[in-house]
Amino acid sequence: LAKTTQPISMDSYEGQEVNITCSHNNIATNDYITWYQQFPSQGPRFIIQGYKTKVTNEVASLFIPADRKSSTLSLPRVSLSDTAVYYCLVSSIDTDKLIFGTGTRLQVFP
Amino acid sequence: DGGITQSPKYLFRKEGQNVTLSCEQNLNHDAMYWYRQDPGQGLRLIYYSQIVNDFQKGDIAEGYSVSREKKESFPLTVTSAQKNPTAFYLCASSIADRGPYNEQFFGPGTRLTVL
Repeated sequence: LAKTTQPISMDSYEGQEVNITCSHNNIATNDYITWYQQFPSQGPRFIIQGYKTKVTNEVASLFIPADRKSSTLSLPRVSLSDTAVYYCLVSSIDTDKLIFGTGTRLQVFP
Repeated sequence: DGGITQSPKYLFRKEGQNVTLSCEQNLNHDAMYWYRQDPGQGLRLIYYSQIVNDFQKGDIAEGYSVSREKKESFPLTVTSAQKNPTAFYLCASSIADRGPYNEQFFGPGTRLTVL
């Protein structure tokens, strides 16, 4: 199953676009990619999910290249409240496996 | 007000004691999950259940046990066999039609400290 790798931390300023990349070199054909946001001492919250190309919702976009070996979560115009840890998850319906990355701690400054 | 609850928020136990963490949901979800989170690490799957009276081991099931007697409840017991039980434990639930692809809804977590 795909092992996921993310940068440990990133810094940004309010109003900027932030792109967080997750590497999953061994992703299988039927695996999906999901991103979660977690605030301290809380459970994670779903942000977005995709399989390939681009997915967009009201809070984020997810870009997945054709080889699917990585994915990029894009947060447009971040605010202070976006300071959190972001996790990518690769899930497999073939094996019922759920592999979370180690998370990227995003700090947004005023 | 639908959601998933975990209790207690903080739990302290002496080494060698079994302890049971509660997880309840009123979202009418079929699937429920238990994860462990250690500092600086991602979530690791302990056990999951897709339906009542059935559950499967995750990646780190050793030293843990679960039961799923009711759809709403999925308690986790941390046994004395678990070598490093101090961690943040998260319970989640989801609908089950797409298996692990479904969006998971997480509880607030229980922080267990074994002294």
